[in-house]
Amino acid sequence: QVLLAQSGAEVKKPGASVRVSCKVSGDSFTTHNIHWIRQAPGQGLEWMGWVNPNSGVSDSAQRFQGWVTLTRDTSISTAYMELSRLKSNDTAVYYCARGAIGLDYYYGLDVWGQGTTVTVSS
Amino acid sequence: DIQLTQSPSFLSASVGDRVTITCRASQGIRTFLAWYQQKPGKAPNLLIYAASTLQNGVPSRFSGSGSGTEFTLTISSLQPEDFATYYCQQLDSYPRTFGGGTKVEIK
Repeated sequence: QVLLAQSGAEVKKPGASVRVSCKVSGDSFTTHNIHWIRQAPGQGLEWMGWVNPNSGVSDSAQRFQGWVTLTRDTSISTAYMELSRLKSNDTAVYYCARGAIGLDYYYGLDVWGQGTTVTVSS
Repeated sequence: DIQLTQSPSFLSASVGDRVTITCRASQGIRTFLAWYQQKPGKAPNLLIYAASTLQNGVPSRFSGSGSGTEFTLTISSLQPEDFATYYCQQLDSYPRTFGGGTKVEIK
C-alpha cells in the first residue's frame, strides 16, 4: 500500500517560513512526481506546484513563484514544500499528492498525503 | 491559466437519486480531466481519470464523460457515503487547476 505521510501541524507568525515534508512508502519514490496542493479553511483546492524526485526539477504556479520552494531527498524518499514570507491568508491545509512521471496528465493524482495544517497568526 | 467552472456549487439530493455534476473548461483540455471526492477533514480521493476511467476500487455507480470543454460526473444511485464535495481537475496544461467544487448534501 502506497502511503504519503506528511509532517505535523505548524503554527507560524507572519513573515516566517514553514517547511512541510511528505514521505513516500510502499512504492518507489522515483516513479512519481510529488505535487503540492493547498486548501484554505472552507475553500476549494489550489494547485501549487510539483517536484521531480529524480532530477529535483520543480515548477510552481506563477502566483507562488519566488515564494515556494519544492525540493526532495531521495535518500529518505521525502519531498518538501517550503513557503516563505507567510501571511495570515496562507493559513490552510497543505497536501502532497503523487502523479506518475510523464503520465500524470492521464492518470491524475492517485495517492494523497493526509494533509498538514499550517496556521499563520500573530 | 485554464479555468474550470463546476455547476452546481451545491446540490441537495436523496439516497437513490441520480446526480450529475458538470465541469466546464475555459479552453479545450481533450480528455485530461480527473474527478476527486473529498469528505470533511480528509484528503481528496481520486475517483475518475482521463475523463471517464474509473480508478481501482471506486464503485461502478460513479461514471464520467466528456471531452474538450465540457465534462460530467454522474452518480447513478446516491448512497449515504457519497455525501461529500467533488472537484474536477484539468491535467492538460500547467498550472493543474481545480474547479471550485460541488458539495452534495442530504435532502
